[in-house]
Amino acid sequence: SQTIHQWPATLVQPVGSPLSLECTVEGTSNPNLYWYRQAAGRGLQLLFYSVGIGQISSEVPQNLSASRPQDRQFILSSKKLLLSDSGFYLCAWRRPSSYEQYFGPGTRLTVT
Amino acid sequence: QQQVKQSPQSLIVQKGGISIINCAYENTAFDYFPWYQQFPGKGPALLIAIRPDVSEKKEGRFTISFNKSAKQFSLHIMDSQPGDSATYFCAASMHNFNKFYFGSGTKLNVKP
Repeated sequence: SQTIHQWPATLVQPVGSPLSLECTVEGTSNPNLYWYRQAAGRGLQLLFYSVGIGQISSEVPQNLSASRPQDRQFILSSKKLLLSDSGFYLCAWRRPSSYEQYFGPGTRLTVT
Repeated sequence: QQQVKQSPQSLIVQKGGISIINCAYENTAFDYFPWYQQFPGKGPALLIAIRPDVSEKKEGRFTISFNKSAKQFSLHIMDSQPGDSATYFCAASMHNFNKFYFGSGTKLNVKP
C-alpha cells in the first residue's frame, strides 16, 4: 500500500528565516506530486506540482520554491519567510495513470 | 475564473438529518469529480468520487448526484452523525491533466 509522509508536523519560524518542508511517498513509483497551502478556515491553494524528478510547475508567484531531488521526494523551500507564509501545507500524490489524489497529514507553519 | 463553485459555506444539520452540499463547474472537459473530507488539523481524505458517465454513486451513507447538463454535482450525507462534522471539499479534474480544481469548502456541523 502507499503512504505519504510529511515533516515536520508543526513548525514555528521567525520572519526572515529559511524554510524546508519535506514530503515522501512510499509504495509507488513516478507519482505526480503536489504542494498546497491552506490558510486558516480557507480552501486549498495549489502552489507547485511535479510530474518527474527535476520537473517543477509553479502555480502562484511568491517567495516559495519547490524541488524534487528524488522520484518520491518533494521539498518546499523558502529563503526568507514572510508573515503571510503562515498556513497549513499539504503534500499530495497521484498516479499519472489514475484520477485519485491523496493528501499527506500536513505541516502547520506559523511565522512569527 | 473560479472553475468550481461550492455552496453553502457552512451548514448545520441535526443528527439523523440529510446534509446536502452543492458544487458547480465550468469546464465541460472535466471527467472526474471527487469529494474530500477534512477534520481539523488533518489532511483531506478522499471520500467518494464520480465520473460523468453515471448520475449517482452511493457508498454507505454518502451519495454523489451528478447532473451533466446543468454542470452540477452534490454530496448527500444520509443519517448525518456528529462524527461527520468536518469540512468538505469538492473538486474537478480530467484524465491526463495534472491539476485539480477545488471548491472553497463547506464546514458541516452535525448537532447531537
